[in-house]
Amino acid sequence: GQQVMQIPQYQHVQEGEDFTTYCNSSTTLSNIQWYKQRPGGHPVFLIQLVKSGEVKKQKRLTFQFGEAKKNSSLHITATQTTDVGTYFCGGTSYGKLTFGQGTILTVHP
Amino acid sequence: DTGVSQDPRHKITKRGQNVTFRCDPISEHNRLYWYRQTLGQGPEFLTYFQNEAQLEKSRLLSDRFSAERPKGSFSTLEIQRTEQGDSAMYLCASSLAPGTSGGSETQYFGPGTRLLVL
Repeated sequence: GQQVMQIPQYQHVQEGEDFTTYCNSSTTLSNIQWYKQRPGGHPVFLIQLVKSGEVKKQKRLTFQFGEAKKNSSLHITATQTTDVGTYFCGGTSYGKLTFGQGTILTVHP
Repeated sequence: DTGVSQDPRHKITKRGQNVTFRCDPISEHNRLYWYRQTLGQGPEFLTYFQNEAQLEKSRLLSDRFSAERPKGSFSTLEIQRTEQGDSAMYLCASSLAPGTSGGSETQYFGPGTRLLVL
């Protein structure tokens, strides 16, 4: 079945440093969605990418969808302590959303 | 309230007991999903409905698990004869199906029900 791998599993950064998490799917995706989950919270939708090679930005966050629609990345520029949490990608294939394991981001002030 | 709601938020039960969780999706959403999430993992798909029809069930969903969405609005997830391995966060999400006006595959999650089986 479809598998979605996400790396790294953990990332510790100093406030102000950049952060990137990568998502790879075993199958071609119709879209990819990114979510943020704060400790003790639930996944909160950030963005959906649909087109091959698509790049979207939300303030300090940049999301990319690979040309083959099998991989994606989330990059945060100049992290802040409010960025802490787990970032999940979810790849949709044949209507089914499969999540990666997530990247846990900690930001040291 | 325009978001997905779940009830209860927390449930502690003894092994062997039955539990039932409720999810109320965003009102205009026709798709409703159930996921299970354990510590350090992403949400794992359990099942989903489009309107009242249950369209897919994961192999993770044993015979002890049953979900319903009788009127195509709220849904319930029942676990019979709970086991300690059932301890997890049970998440519900909803979406507007592609092909529906304004539809996409974006899913919006509720706050979850955290289950602890002793």
